[in-house]
Amino acid sequence: EDQVTQSPEALRLQEGESSSLNCSYTVSGLRGLFWYRQDPGKGPEFLFTLYSAGEEKEKERLKATLTKKESFLHITAPKPEDSATYLCAVRPYGGSQGNLIFGKGTKLSVKP
Amino acid sequence: GAVVSQHPSRVICKSGTSVKIECRSLDFQATTMFWYRQFPKQSLMLMATSNEGSKATYEQGVEKDKFLINHASLTLSTLTVTSAHPEDSSFYICSARGTGGSEAFFGQGTRLTVV
Repeated sequence: EDQVTQSPEALRLQEGESSSLNCSYTVSGLRGLFWYRQDPGKGPEFLFTLYSAGEEKEKERLKATLTKKESFLHITAPKPEDSATYLCAVRPYGGSQGNLIFGKGTKLSVKP
Repeated sequence: GAVVSQHPSRVICKSGTSVKIECRSLDFQATTMFWYRQFPKQSLMLMATSNEGSKATYEQGVEKDKFLINHASLTLSTLTVTSAHPEDSSFYICSARGTGGSEAFFGQGTRLTVV
């Protein structure tokens, strides 16, 4: 069964304290792995797509990496405005018309 | 990124009434749209997938007659919650993917409260 597990469930950081969020996945075949940011009461905002092991993508203070079993979202010197829930999702081959399977997310809080 | 607009953002309705939620892709043609439901501290759960001009495909356990989905054009899909009950109260989110696209872009979500 295709599955996505994110850890930790919640993460509290001080402003400037770098850290990483983990996304472990099991799929029969990976068509893509996606990271989204979700603010309270809002829909997910697209951040990155990763397709193959070894791939990395960056955007401002965020960097996403991918291996054959997991992905990491590295946050460098976070700011309070980075506080949000970060969702990881996979798109398996043969999925329901390209549906994404989501993890439960990591709620990040960055204190000034 | 592409823009998906969902309306309304919040709605309160009486038990037994129906509510329609709209999802529009503003700057691209969405060949496939997805409808999700999200409970507090839970991941997004897919309810149904719709392709323009054809019937929606519902996930197991989702009542087709209760959650009516219409995808009449390449830029608009609607979800109608019929005869709503308090247990239908939730956060509903749509997403859209364009032709040949890999990423799915999400609407702002709709908070439905049934009283």
